[in-house]
Amino acid sequence: AQKVTQAQTEISVVEKEDVTLDCVYETRDTTYYLFWYKQPPSGELVFLIRRNSFDEQNEISGRYSWNFQKSTSSFNFTITASQVVDSAVYFCALSEAGEDDKIIFGKGTRLHILP
Amino acid sequence: GAVVSQHPSWVICKSGTSVKIECRSLDFQATTMFWYRQFPKQSLMLMATSNEGSKATYEQGVEKDKFLINHASLTLSTLTVTSAHPEDSSFYICSASSGRGYGYTFGSGTRLTVV
Repeated sequence: AQKVTQAQTEISVVEKEDVTLDCVYETRDTTYYLFWYKQPPSGELVFLIRRNSFDEQNEISGRYSWNFQKSTSSFNFTITASQVVDSAVYFCALSEAGEDDKIIFGKGTRLHILP
Repeated sequence: GAVVSQHPSWVICKSGTSVKIECRSLDFQATTMFWYRQFPKQSLMLMATSNEGSKATYEQGVEKDKFLINHASLTLSTLTVTSAHPEDSSFYICSASSGRGYGYTFGSGTRLTVV
């Protein structure tokens, strides 16, 4: 069974602050994929990143960065110098290679960036 | 990039009627499509996985006779909510994959309101 835990239900920070969204996952597979998606109020899912289990290199994309730690089964997401437009619900998700590619989502973290 | 078109984006229907939602992959062949449901302020819950030309695989607790899924071609999957009731009101979103390891593309979602 696979499971994704996003312990932070809701976070509020003031604009320009850095914020980290936590994600812890459980899987018995050695091959799996991890994702982060952003869901703004309009509802559509915006793909942010996909990571396979064999690639533990951290990634940076502009103000976004991701820290993948297999030892702690975590895949945390940091937004640097947050902006109001970053306000959204962020989902961490997991797909196991042997599970027909289906993605299982965490409960999401609602992020409020205050002006 | 890969695009998935989902229609309608919103629909209001009377209790007892059926509603069909379409999910099309526009520029790639989707061997597998997924259907998710999202209640307000909750996560995306996988309802079913469909592979082209075969019966859909439903997640536990999802009524297959109520949520009919058809994946007749490599570019089209449909979800029909039969005899809809107010408790079926939700945000439905599809996702398409062109094969293991190639990633996923989500549709923009359909907001269903049953009155």
